[in-house]
Amino acid sequence: SQQGEEDPQALSIQEGENATMNCSYKTSINNLQWYRQNSGRGLVHLILIRSNEREKHSGRLRVTLDTSKKSSSLLITASRAADTASYFCATDSYSGGGADGLTFGKGTHLIIQP
Amino acid sequence: EAGVTQSPTHLIKTRGQQATLRCSPISGHTSVYWYQQALGLGLQFLLWYDEGEERNRGNFPPRFSGRQFPNYSSELNVNALELEDSALYLCASNLDRAGQPQHFGDGTRLSIL
Repeated sequence: SQQGEEDPQALSIQEGENATMNCSYKTSINNLQWYRQNSGRGLVHLILIRSNEREKHSGRLRVTLDTSKKSSSLLITASRAADTASYFCATDSYSGGGADGLTFGKGTHLIIQP
Repeated sequence: EAGVTQSPTHLIKTRGQQATLRCSPISGHTSVYWYQQALGLGLQFLLWYDEGEERNRGNFPPRFSGRQFPNYSSELNVNALELEDSALYLCASNLDRAGQPQHFGDGTRLSIL
């Protein structure tokens, strides 16, 4: 079953603009991760934010996490044509027994117009 | 460092047949995960293997099964194929350490005719 819901489902912006994607989830989590998928390819891990963190940066990426609202956002600054892809949030709700499968949202399809 | 590799890239089968998909994790990774990405259904967790054992499975029928070999590579077997099994099957690996990101292969595109 899907845990996360990304918003918007699709986003088209001009190169150089910032892109913001949101993700909501339903259950308690240990961490939330963002992945990118280029058409028909595998997923590339972008960033992981733990449940006790509120904000994290990696290059042009900024992720926030609000556990009280069960939501996260991914901001891509100064977008480039190469950022065109689908972006997924995934929640990791591992139990004390160790790692578990990730639960993915349905993704945001981002198009960067040159 | 070589990434996660999956084979074959594409696989075409007919209803009722069996399919075998293969995955080699990143060297040193002990956990392997399988996901199904079907049109309209998104990414769904299938199976998790670690140290040769099945640790967890998603909400899929028993005809989806697999195994992990001593070298940590893994196979996913799908028996009695149905049209709705057409999907991209993705394999991921990580160290079996809670909270580690998963590293994905490029997937096997399974088409059922």
